Amino acid sequence: SQELEQSPQSLIVQEGKNLTINCTSSKTLYGLYWYKQKYGEGLIFLMMLQKGGEEKSHEKITAKLDEKKQQSSLHITASQPSHAGIYLCGADKQAGTALIFGKGTTLSVSS
Amino acid sequence: DAGVIQSPRHEVTEMGQEVTLRCKPISGHNSLFWYRQTMMRGLELLIYFNNNVPIDDSGMPEDRFSAKMPNASFSTLKIQPSEPRDSAVYFCASRGGVAADTQYFGPGTRLTVL
Repeated sequence: SQELEQSPQSLIVQEGKNLTINCTSSKTLYGLYWYKQKYGEGLIFLMMLQKGGEEKSHEKITAKLDEKKQQSSLHITASQPSHAGIYLCGADKQAGTALIFGKGTTLSVSS
Repeated sequence: DAGVIQSPRHEVTEMGQEVTLRCKPISGHNSLFWYRQTMMRGLELLIYFNNNVPIDDSGMPEDRFSAKMPNASFSTLKIQPSEPRDSAVYFCASRGGVAADTQYFGPGTRLTVL
């Protein structure tokens, strides 16, 4: 069965620093989703990538999907305390199905 | 625009009791998903519906769990009888409409079974 592995498991960065979170799949992805979760709250949708080599940005967050569609990275530029939370990658094997998720990366930003 | 609505937000019950979680998807969405999140196992799919019909319930742990979607605007997840190992955060998500590929999550129900 397909699995998603995220790294690192947790990350502490100083405010203003850049960081990268990775998500690797054991199989080719149909779609790759990035969500953010704050403790005690639901998942907030960040971005979705479908095409090999695709890159999307929203404010200071950039996500990329590699050409083989098996690995994605999430890059945050000039981190802020508001970026703190748990980042989850999710994937569906084909259109219209449910998602499987990685275990998440916990990000802390120190000021 | 109202997002996915879940109730209750918190539920504390005793082992053996029946628990019912409720979800109202985003209007116009035709797919609804129930997930469970625990520290040990992360976020896992329990069941999902397309157009009110259950499509994949392979994630439902056992017969104690059941889910229904009587209409496009309401779904329930029932646990009877509940056990301490059912303690988790249960999320409902929906998908459809213009952004048909994206699932939008509710705030979750934190269930504690004593």
